[in-house]
Amino acid sequence: AQKITQTQPGMFVQEKEAVTLDCTYDTSDPSYGLFWYKQPSSGEMIFLIYQGSYDQQNATEGRYSLNFQKARKSANLVISASQLGDSAMYFCAMRERFRGSARQLTFGSGTQLTVLP
Amino acid sequence: DADVTQTPRNRITKTGKRIMLECSQTKGHDRMYWYRQDPGLGLRLIYYSFDVKDINKGEISDGYSVSRQAQAKFSLSLESAIPNQTALYFCATSAGTVNQPQHFGDGTRLSIL
Repeated sequence: AQKITQTQPGMFVQEKEAVTLDCTYDTSDPSYGLFWYKQPSSGEMIFLIYQGSYDQQNATEGRYSLNFQKARKSANLVISASQLGDSAMYFCAMRERFRGSARQLTFGSGTQLTVLP
Repeated sequence: DADVTQTPRNRITKTGKRIMLECSQTKGHDRMYWYRQDPGLGLRLIYYSFDVKDINKGEISDGYSVSRQAQAKFSLSLESAIPNQTALYFCATSAGTVNQPQHFGDGTRLSIL
């Protein structure tokens, strides 16, 4: 079974509007971390935001926020006030605990976001 | 200077050649990883290492080997390259706790003709 599912291969948003990128995950581990990365056309992977499984509040970093719904196993990324520079591929990823230590990241297939002027 | 440096950034080579991709880091992390990215797919783990003496296969290790020469250096080898290994390759590092992100190099674009 897929551990990380991103159901939106592509999304469009008008500049200055907000957009939500969906991510659902599957784990039986009570301790895990959820991450979002941005990959612009130049190819590098840029870490955006982190949410821990025990965090009571949704994570926020500037214009990025994470809508974390633990019971539904979803961790959607919200980008407010979209800018042209937000056009990129966005990946959701999860890190679980294994034998008391953190495992490697498991990635979703990504969502290509295009911001329209 | 970048915290995670990959060399080369681009490489074009022929089928059957041996290729080494190198990664070095200045973040002081014990954990290092090699990923592969194909168009339309997320990143898939090739190998990972939790310290110099600990190397593990990932999801897609066939056709690849690795060497952890030091805490800061982790290299990926394709012993006999084939065209379907054409991809974007990333090295990453991390600390050992769940709440720490992985830090990525800028990637190596590898084309095998």
